[in-house]
Amino acid sequence: DAGVIQSPRHEVTEMGQEVTLRCKPISGHDYLFWYRQTMMRGLELLIYFNNNVPIDDSGMPEDRFSAKMPNASFSTLKIQPSEPRDSAVYFCASSPGKVETQYFGPGTRLLVL
Amino acid sequence: GQSLEQPSEVTAVEGAIVQINCTYQTSGFYGLSWYQQHDGGAPTFLSYNALDGLEETGRFSSFLSRSDSYGYLLLQELQMKDSASYFCAVIIGGYQKVTFGTGTKLQVIP
Repeated sequence: DAGVIQSPRHEVTEMGQEVTLRCKPISGHDYLFWYRQTMMRGLELLIYFNNNVPIDDSGMPEDRFSAKMPNASFSTLKIQPSEPRDSAVYFCASSPGKVETQYFGPGTRLLVL
Repeated sequence: GQSLEQPSEVTAVEGAIVQINCTYQTSGFYGLSWYQQHDGGAPTFLSYNALDGLEETGRFSSFLSRSDSYGYLLLQELQMKDSASYFCAVIIGGYQKVTFGTGTKLQVIP
């Protein structure tokens, strides 16, 4: 079975540009999570969805960040405009029916210059 | 809010046993999960405890004491491939918020 798929795997962009990260959860999983990981702040939950509906977005750092889940097989995390401090690894994870057991994608390594 | 504490680094010898502790302070505690992450990789789920006691999965076991707000991950018969970071994560009831600890970097030496 395919795991969680994220694209792109690496992204280098310049400050001020729009960045869109994509995620395809495991088929049949009804929870989808977006995380950001940095050395300084560790692994932070940004937002999560249940059945395509955002449940908790309290971790979204500011209005420059937005996330959507238009259907059960696709989600995006958008940063507009991007800033150097957004440089991090962004993980998407999904789970079947419970938040305590999550399956992570390989991550997108974002560098904002 | 929630807070979790884990040791930042642990070193252990191949073949030995190591325990990684996690203490938490939170309201609405629902359960404690453990994840493993190798350098450059993604977190991988290891175990989950909602009730007090020990859960065993092969060489790995996880323990929870709700009254002490404490849990640990026990790794037995350590192998070099166990060198990784280990995260505890608390799950808060209600709408089930997840918060990860800062991680413990385990180095297994020959």
